[in-house]
Amino acid sequence: DQQVKQNSPSLSVQEGRISILNCDYTNSMFDYFLWYKKYPAEGPTFLISISSIKDKNEDGRFTVFLNKSAKHLSLHIVPSQPGDSAVYFCAASARGGTSYGKLTFGQGTILTVHP
Amino acid sequence: DAGITQSPRHKVTETGTPVTLRCHQTENHRYMYWYRQDPGHGLRLIHYSYGVKDTDKGEVSDGYSVSRSKTEDFLLTLESATSSQTSVYFCAIRGLAGVGEQYFGPGTRLTVT
Repeated sequence: DQQVKQNSPSLSVQEGRISILNCDYTNSMFDYFLWYKKYPAEGPTFLISISSIKDKNEDGRFTVFLNKSAKHLSLHIVPSQPGDSAVYFCAASARGGTSYGKLTFGQGTILTVHP
Repeated sequence: DAGITQSPRHKVTETGTPVTLRCHQTENHRYMYWYRQDPGHGLRLIHYSYGVKDTDKGEVSDGYSVSRSKTEDFLLTLESATSSQTSVYFCAIRGLAGVGEQYFGPGTRLTVT
């Protein structure tokens, strides 16, 4: 049972345009959401996060939107740059009790930004 | 840089042999995690630790064991490697701010022939 899903395996975008990566979750106990970027032969790197008490969080070119009623989050990258080409993973956590900070990841979306 | 190293970075081993992967961190983080990454599955949690000698199973723990005898080292052992354990293994630590971010090591690529 995949609790976090990224239904688009890949996304291709022109440099300068907006990239929108989507993620859906099923577990209503999740209250913290994260996006990671991964280059080949490297570990994932933390990009941006959002708590369930917010519906938007911005950090430079990156904005994450959370729609709790739809159990959906998205990552917007504006403007997209060729260096953004990577695999993007969304992840979710239920922070309370004995969760111990465990993360549940989606399958990943390969973003390619063309010059 | 969260000061996480993994060793070895690459390993080829034969079916049925035991394998131990090491994760080392330099910043006294309490929480450590082992994940495997496979195409179509993202990252899946194998085991995690919330302190020295305190460990628990994750989503895909069958065939794996862990040990944490000191804060800085978290070992993952494949008791008898199988081809289905061919994967890239990542270690992670939870940030000291404690709000949920995890920081990952560079990974170990393991091939079981």
